[in-house]
Parts: sequence; C-alpha cells; structure tokens
Amino acid sequence: GAVVSQHPSRVICKSGTSVKIECRSLDFQATTMFWYRQFPKQSLMLMATSNEGSKATYEQGVEKDKFLINHASLTLSTLTVTSAHPEDSSFYICSAAGLAGLEQYFGPGTRLTVT
Amino acid sequence: TQLLEQSPQFLSIQEGENLTVYCNSSSVFSSLQWYRQEPGEGPVLLVTVVTGGEVKKLKRLTFQFGDARKDSSLHITAAQPGDTGLYLCAGIEGAQKLVFGQGTRLTINP
Repeated sequence: GAVVSQHPSRVICKSGTSVKIECRSLDFQATTMFWYRQFPKQSLMLMATSNEGSKATYEQGVEKDKFLINHASLTLSTLTVTSAHPEDSSFYICSAAGLAGLEQYFGPGTRLTVT
Repeated sequence: TQLLEQSPQFLSIQEGENLTVYCNSSSVFSSLQWYRQEPGEGPVLLVTVVTGGEVKKLKRLTFQFGDARKDSSLHITAAQPGDTGLYLCAGIEGAQKLVFGQGTRLTINP
C-alpha cells in the first residue's frame, strides 16, 4: 500500500508556542489530505480536509486560526498548532487520498504534549 | 455528520475464543471500512465493504455489511494475542470523508 509519513513523531512544547507537524505522501500524489485528532482512549475525530492548492475545510468546532493547515504540494501538508495550550495535547494523525478516492492512507501519528 | 456506534467498547477474552464486534448507524453509508490501530500508531485498513449484504473474509476475520448498509460486523474466529488492538469502523460520508465509530478495544489473553 501507499506510504504516508509524519514528522515529528513526538514533540513537547511550552504553552504559548507554535508547533508545525508535517504529513508527506511518499509514493503517490495526494490530492486530498485529512487531519485527525485522537485523545487518549478515544476514536479519531476529523479536524479538517485539505485539497492541494486551496483552503482547508474545517469541521464544526475546530478553530481555523488556531490550527493552520497548508497543502502546498501534492505530497505535503502541514498542520501548525498556534499558541498551543495543554488542552491541545493529543495524538494528531494525517491521512492522504489520491484521485481514485476511496482509500485513505494514514500516517503514523504525532504525539503532541504541551507543558 | 452521521454517527456510528460500536459495541462493545471494551472486550477481553481468552485465546481461542470467538468474538463479534458490531458497528451500527441510523444512516446509510455508501461504504464502510474497518481499521485496526496499535498504540502510538496510525490506523491500518483491514477491509472496505461496499455492497449491502456483502461478506468478506481475511484469514480468521469475517466482515459483513448489513443489507440496508447501515450496520456492519467483524467476527474473529479463534482469537490470538496478536489480534489485540483497537478496532475502528468508519463510514464514508460524501466523496471521501470518514466518520469513525468510538472503537472497540480488544484484549486477547494468552
């Protein structure tokens, strides 16, 4: 199957700082990338959908000014958590889908801890 | 957004036993997927079911999509410790959007 990577795998930052998480599709062109958040012992919640070259579509309740998403190329999307707070600590997972659509390929996730 | 209810949410059984996990919705999905997630990793796709009444087998795992495409089940035969993990069902809403169930945390004890 297709491979999606995320960097970093773990990050610890201080409250008030910003953190950028990268999501890359390594062997295919991802027209659409998705960002999810998963709190401990819970399921994945979709935060936003991004299409290459256009603005991301955010799910209800997700602050677009706090979670900045950029999808500048067909292989890279970034999620920046701005002015992070301890409640933003979570497991952030991206997925990528090609033109064919049905299947999303998930990255390994990024564990964010805000102290 | 459509909702998916998974049951049970937690299941702990002995090696060799059989089990079934259910995924139910009041809404119709065009297709439904099952994933397995290990701690600290992203989910891995196990199967996609598309047609109402469809049954797919993956070794000891049997997946079924309800006739009305509102529900699905995952049956594991002769469970092994390696089957331990979080099992997630996800319905496809619209073109590509996935709606995940709450997950079933499965523990198989040796």
